Amino acid sequence: EAQVTQNPRYLITVTGKKLTVTCSQNMNHEYMSWYRQDPGLGLRQIYYSMNVEVTDKGDVPEGYKVSRKEKRNFPLILESPSPNQTSLYFCASSPGSVGAATKYEQYFGPGTRLTVT
Amino acid sequence: AQSVAQPEDQVNVAEGNPLTVKCTYSVSGNPYLFWYVQYPNRGLQFLLKYITGDNLVKGSYGFEAEFNKSQTSFHLKKPSALVSDSALYFCAVRVRNYGGSQGNLIFGKGTKLSVKP
Repeated sequence: EAQVTQNPRYLITVTGKKLTVTCSQNMNHEYMSWYRQDPGLGLRQIYYSMNVEVTDKGDVPEGYKVSRKEKRNFPLILESPSPNQTSLYFCASSPGSVGAATKYEQYFGPGTRLTVT
Repeated sequence: AQSVAQPEDQVNVAEGNPLTVKCTYSVSGNPYLFWYVQYPNRGLQFLLKYITGDNLVKGSYGFEAEFNKSQTSFHLKKPSALVSDSALYFCAVRVRNYGGSQGNLIFGKGTKLSVKP
């Protein structure tokens, strides 16, 4: 089954404790992205990657890191989480490389609900 | 700056009646437009998109949307609403690019659709 998976689905942590949220897709998509969803703000893009070893900042990258060492995986790293990073996080992927990916719809993972106390 | 507006936080419709969820956009170039739906505790699912061609596009679950360039709108419609259509709906826009880095996917804040029996 074609899908985007995220782990963990739920995470409660404390301020300053490094964490990683994994994202994996089995559709051989070039493009991958991370979003956070907050009430009243919709989805905001954190980082995206157009292919292996190619990443770029989205609209709200502060406090986050990503890496794209393999095509299928795109982990989101919070080096020192803070309470304002409490949110619902979605990973997404789509086919197409630079220029061509714009017209494709994205496939979303089930979400990771993160609480930082 | 690119933006997407969904002017209604919530739309209430009786089952069997037509529904409209509004979306307007502001971009500097030609847009690619998308609608996604989010059911409770689920990730986003793609409904439909406008890339080029016919201004009326049809998508999943009987939904359709009309691209109106002069009004910069892309309203989502369905002739006869079902209770199962109750969900959160997001409009999103991307700007076409021709060789440069691809534009980010910009989401509206979402509209909650409630269909009552």
